Amino acid sequence: KQEVTQIPAALSVPEGENLVLNCSFTDSAIYNLQWFRQDPGKGLTSLLLIQSSQREQTSGRLNASLDKSSGRSTLYIAASQPGDSATYLCDQGGSEKLVFGKGMKLTVNP
Amino acid sequence: EPEVTQTPSHQVTQMGQEVILRCVPISNHLYFYWYRQILGQKVEFLVSFYNNEISEKSEIFDDQFSVERPDGSNFTLKIRSTKLEDSAMYFCASSLRRLANTQYFGPGTRLTVL
Repeated sequence: KQEVTQIPAALSVPEGENLVLNCSFTDSAIYNLQWFRQDPGKGLTSLLLIQSSQREQTSGRLNASLDKSSGRSTLYIAASQPGDSATYLCDQGGSEKLVFGKGMKLTVNP
Repeated sequence: EPEVTQTPSHQVTQMGQEVILRCVPISNHLYFYWYRQILGQKVEFLVSFYNNEISEKSEIFDDQFSVERPDGSNFTLKIRSTKLEDSAMYFCASSLRRLANTQYFGPGTRLTVL
């Protein structure tokens, strides 16, 4: 059974810190791994998608890496801002369906 | 920028009633999905839909659930006889291709079953 784990469940940091969010998955036969952000009461916004043939993707202050052999992905957020406060979800795309972790609630304090 | 839309944003219904949740996927997308998120829990896959038929479904998607693409733009999720445990946020998503492709999510419909 595919499982996705995100630890810690919550993180509170002061503004300006560089952050590392971790995601572990069980199925090495993934097609891609996607990071989303979810604001309270809202839908999911795709941040980055890493295809299985790639090792990392970058968008602005965000950088995501993928290590299939160890079953891990990392989302790096540089110079965090209060607007980055949200729940961050990773998902393992092994087939059509996405398998999500519980997410990590990030609070960036001004 | 194109986006997935969902209506209504909030639906309140009595247990045993039928509800239809509506979604308008991004216009050139071919694959459509429903997910749900019970309060405080993970986002869970319900069903995927392509070429007017279900391509994959989860254990949650039992006979009480059905999906339909009644016209060229709408994608609906019907719950035939709602239960209290169906209360959740329901998200629609769409993608251009099947695998290794970004799924774009709608803002969700909050379903409350009383």
